[in-house]
Amino acid sequence: AQTVTQSQPEMSVQEAETVTLSCTYDTSESDYYLFWYKQPPSRQMILVIRQEAYKQQNATENRFSVNFQKAAKSFSLKISDSQLGDAAMYFCAYRSARYGGATNKLIFGTGTLLAVQP
Amino acid sequence: GAVVSQHPSRVICKSGTSVKIECRSLDFQATTMFWYRQFPKKSLMLMATSNEGSKATYEQGVEKDKFLINHASLTLSTLTVTSAHPEDSSFYICSARSIESRETQYFGPGTRLLVL
Repeated sequence: AQTVTQSQPEMSVQEAETVTLSCTYDTSESDYYLFWYKQPPSRQMILVIRQEAYKQQNATENRFSVNFQKAAKSFSLKISDSQLGDAAMYFCAYRSARYGGATNKLIFGTGTLLAVQP
Repeated sequence: GAVVSQHPSRVICKSGTSVKIECRSLDFQATTMFWYRQFPKKSLMLMATSNEGSKATYEQGVEKDKFLINHASLTLSTLTVTSAHPEDSSFYICSARSIESRETQYFGPGTRLLVL
């Protein structure tokens, strides 16, 4: 069974600085998707970034980028120029690329609570 | 972007009553919708997966007779908490996956349920 591990329960960053959130996963599959979701105090889950495992190029969305290391099964999120609005719980998630049955599910990590200091 | 709504956003009910929560995909058709439960400062726990026109698939340990799920159309799924008890108090979140973009789930804003 696939698992997702976020080893940093809490992180803190100064405004305008850069922070990296860690995520590792375990799977025997070769084709899958990885996601970072943000959950601010409003508790609305927001998709931050998505990575397809078959793509070697790391995904980037404005100030957010990932470091995807497929062999190491690592998927870290880098937030550049941190803003106060980035303060939230961040969840790493895995989904199989196969469709049907249990493979439909998103498998979440336990989350990292990011605080942004002014 | 894909928008998912939930109604109500907050509900307080008496123990023993039933509560229905609606999840709608507003600008896309969702073949599959998911229902999660989240405890404070915890990750999301998947309760069930519903596919339009068929019975929901429940996760192990989730009582299907207590948490009734209906996915009658490509834009609407409902979760009914039957005979609610205080331990059912929680934050319930739905998500939907579109026909076009099947690898990504879009989440609703959640419903906070308090059972007195």
